[in-house]
Amino acid sequence: QKEVEQNSGPLSVPEGAIASLNCTYSDRGSQSFFWYRQYSGKSPELIMSIYSNGDKEDGRFTAQLNKASQYVSLLIRDSQPSDSATYLCAVSQAGTALIFGKGTTLSVSS
Amino acid sequence: DGGITQSPKYLFRKEGQNVTLSCEQNLNHDAMYWYRQDPGQGLRLIYYSQIVNDFQKGDIAEGYSVSREKKESFPLTVTSAQKNPTAFYLCASSRPGGSYGYTFGSGTRLTVV
Repeated sequence: QKEVEQNSGPLSVPEGAIASLNCTYSDRGSQSFFWYRQYSGKSPELIMSIYSNGDKEDGRFTAQLNKASQYVSLLIRDSQPSDSATYLCAVSQAGTALIFGKGTTLSVSS
Repeated sequence: DGGITQSPKYLFRKEGQNVTLSCEQNLNHDAMYWYRQDPGQGLRLIYYSQIVNDFQKGDIAEGYSVSREKKESFPLTVTSAQKNPTAFYLCASSRPGGSYGYTFGSGTRLTVV
């Protein structure tokens, strides 16, 4: 059974701090890695994708991938209250459907 | 604007009744997916289709059926065999293989009454 594991949280950070969200996956053949943000009652929204080892930055977001450790993370710099949401990690092999983790709930306090 | 449209937004089902959830996309994506989300849970795959007239079961296909007669449409039927259908249902689409990530519809919240 292919699995994607995330700490459910809640992860609480003050406004302006760095939020760090982590994800591990079981399938070594995984090739594509994604972070989705989901506000309560809404559908997930793609915020980051990463395909090779290392860091990928997009604005306040940085995704980090370490395939040897089967680990992917998301850093959110200068966290804002509007970042409060559930963050879903998703992983796939080529040609297969995404497998999602259960999500980490982030709460940013002002 | 391109996107995915799910309807209805809210749906109520009586015991023993089949209901169909609609999913339409105009993104010209080949692949489409159905996921179910329960409170505090991640997304679990019900069915997916990589091409018209072909689809595969996901992890929780029992009690559900789908069809893919057109590229744009991937309806999901929740049958009476699905014993616990109350959930948030999400449809998504992607380019072939899904390696570019998914675009999601706004979801359908199904409740058994």
